[in-house]
Amino acid sequence: QVQLVESGGGVVQPGRSLRLSCATSGFTFRSYGMHWVRQAPGKGLEWVAVIWHDGSNTYYIDSVKGRFTISRDDSKNTVYLQMNTLRADDTAVYYCTRGNPPHSHNDFWGQGTLVTVSS
Amino acid sequence: DIQMTQSPSSLSASVGDRVTITCRASQGIRNYLAWFQQKPGKAPKSLIYAASSLQSGVPSKFSGSGSGAEFTLTISNLQPEDFATYYCQQYNTYPLTFGGGTKVEIK
Repeated sequence: QVQLVESGGGVVQPGRSLRLSCATSGFTFRSYGMHWVRQAPGKGLEWVAVIWHDGSNTYYIDSVKGRFTISRDDSKNTVYLQMNTLRADDTAVYYCTRGNPPHSHNDFWGQGTLVTVSS
Repeated sequence: DIQMTQSPSSLSASVGDRVTITCRASQGIRNYLAWFQQKPGKAPKSLIYAASSLQSGVPSKFSGSGSGAEFTLTISNLQPEDFATYYCQQYNTYPLTFGGGTKVEIK
C-alpha cells in the first residue's frame, strides 16, 4: 500500500535551517510528482511546493520562494524540503503528499512532521 | 492567485442529516477541484477529485458536483465518524489553493 513518512521536524531558532524528508513506498516513485502542504496550529491547509515526477519543474508559494527548496532522490524514493532562513510564521505541521502535476489531485498524504520556529 | 471561498465556515447537524458545503473559486478552474476530510490530529484524507469523482475506498454517501467556479460537497446520512473539517482545493493553477475549511459539528 502507498505510504508516505515524513521526518526531520523539530524546534529551530529563527533564521536557522531545517531539512524535511519524506520516505515513500508502495508505488513507482519516479512516476509521480510530490508536494509539501503545511498547516499552522489551529489554521487551515496551505500548499507550499511541488516537484514534477522527473524533477523538471518546481513551484513554490510566494512566501517561501528563495528560502525553501524541494528536491527528490529517486534512488531512495524520497522527497525533501530544505528550509532556510526560517521565520516564526513557518511554524506548522508539514505534510508530504503525492500528486502528478499539472492537473492531478493530492491523493495520498503522510502523517506530517511538526516544525516549530522559536527563539 | 486563485481564492477559494468555502461556506459555511461551520455547521451543526444531527446524525442522519444531509449536509451541503459550497466552494467558490475567484476564477474558473474547470473541474480541477478536490475535497478533503480532516479529523483532529490527523492528516487530510482525499474524498473527491475532478469535482465529482469519488476517491477509491470512499463511501458513496459523499458526492461532489459543479464546474467552472462553483462546487458543492454533499454528505448524506451523517454518521458520528463524519464529524470533521472539510476543505476544498483547486489544482487548476499554481499556486494550488485551499478553501478555509468547514467544520461539521454534532448538534
